[in-house]
Amino acid sequence: DSGVTQTPKHLITATGQRVTLRCSPRSGDLSVYWYQQSLDQGLQFLIQYYNGEERAKGNILERFSAQQFPDLHSELNLSSLELGDSALYFCASSGYRADQETQYFGPGTRLLVL
Amino acid sequence: DQQVKQNSPSLSVQEGRISILNCDYTNSMFDYFLWYKKYPAEGPTFLISISSIKDKNEDGRFTVFLNKSAKHLSLHIVPSQPGDSAVYFCAASMNTGNQFYFGTGTSLTVIP
Repeated sequence: DSGVTQTPKHLITATGQRVTLRCSPRSGDLSVYWYQQSLDQGLQFLIQYYNGEERAKGNILERFSAQQFPDLHSELNLSSLELGDSALYFCASSGYRADQETQYFGPGTRLLVL
Repeated sequence: DQQVKQNSPSLSVQEGRISILNCDYTNSMFDYFLWYKKYPAEGPTFLISISSIKDKNEDGRFTVFLNKSAKHLSLHIVPSQPGDSAVYFCAASMNTGNQFYFGTGTSLTVIP
């Protein structure tokens, strides 16, 4: 157990709809990262938040948005969903292990857009 | 633009032999590299890391080698065990707290 929680575990929805994925980082971690993993693809970085503020942006579509709340949990909002948005969405928080920074991943949310 | 590449999508190895997983990167500013292991239906888990000031880091059966001039790193697993069967991702970053760039993964199968 990484200490990072994600809900829901599975989500099935229709094209054009909007969904919200939720992530709680490990206790004490201030950074939250969101990744998308499509079939046969690596982990594509979407966005990073640090202590409530956006820190870095990757390949995130304009239809997607995220935020980090004062209690440090984060939400990823996906709107106007398309079939191609079907993927695994991972959240990670960063911490230190033996003085080296690493990322601890949640179990992911599997999104299926029909 | 994929800055971290794993050119072998899959690898099969006999139990007890060595598994070598390779990773190449293009950005010479990367100074920290990690390997993650991922089982189906789970998130990736951290395996081992190396900073650019070293060329080797060892942790039990796992050793990571870094060749900065070739922009290449490899993960050696010796001896390989069936429980090592998973997808392995390499990742790189520059400066603490910045974005981590992941490769596309190599699926390792260890045959009993």
